[in-house]
Amino acid sequence: GAGVSQSPSNKVTEKGKDVELRCDPISGHTALYWYRQSLGQGLEFLIYFQGNSAPDKSGLPSDRFSAERTGGSVSTLTIQRTQQEDSAVYLCASSWLPGQGYEQYFGPGTRLTVT
Amino acid sequence: GDSVTQMEGPVTLSEEAFLTINCTYTATGYPSLFWYVQYPGEGLQLLLKATKADDKGSNKGFEATYRKETTSFHLEKGSVQVSDSAVYFCALIRNTPLVFGKGTRLSVIA
Repeated sequence: GAGVSQSPSNKVTEKGKDVELRCDPISGHTALYWYRQSLGQGLEFLIYFQGNSAPDKSGLPSDRFSAERTGGSVSTLTIQRTQQEDSAVYLCASSWLPGQGYEQYFGPGTRLTVT
Repeated sequence: GDSVTQMEGPVTLSEEAFLTINCTYTATGYPSLFWYVQYPGEGLQLLLKATKADDKGSNKGFEATYRKETTSFHLEKGSVQVSDSAVYFCALIRNTPLVFGKGTRLSVIA
């Protein structure tokens, strides 16, 4: 079966522009996570969804970042007024249910470069 | 809050050398522990896991033992191959998001 997919794979944008990153989780997985991988910061949690609700948004770095999930499937991470420090690889993961007992499967990531 | 500390890289080894990558964690309660691997140009993959104290996770010749007394989960392999060159991440989960270490880049030379 298909794994987690993300698009685009690469995105170059100018500072101040808005970007949207998409994640397609594994079919049937109810939990969806966004992480960010940047040089010097490692892998940081951003937000997770259970169904279409986001019980934990604690990792979003500023109010320029938002995310939504529709139909319990596809999720979009939006970054408004991008800054150079937003340059990173954005990873999406999904699991059958949230929590400690359920493996998270990762997508290939979207590399965002803000110039 | 919860945290994971792993040894800084990069680590460069000759083929067939012994590998240890140290990982220690800080967490209340009883987290599950993981090692993830990211091969060049690929996504993050689960390498092995352990869910309770004294459990040993193993896969592809790699092993790690959950040591609660030392809050450690060191990754070991007896004989590395060039194909093991990758970035390795130690991680824990207690509630929902994974908490990762900063990663250790391993290069194995023939």
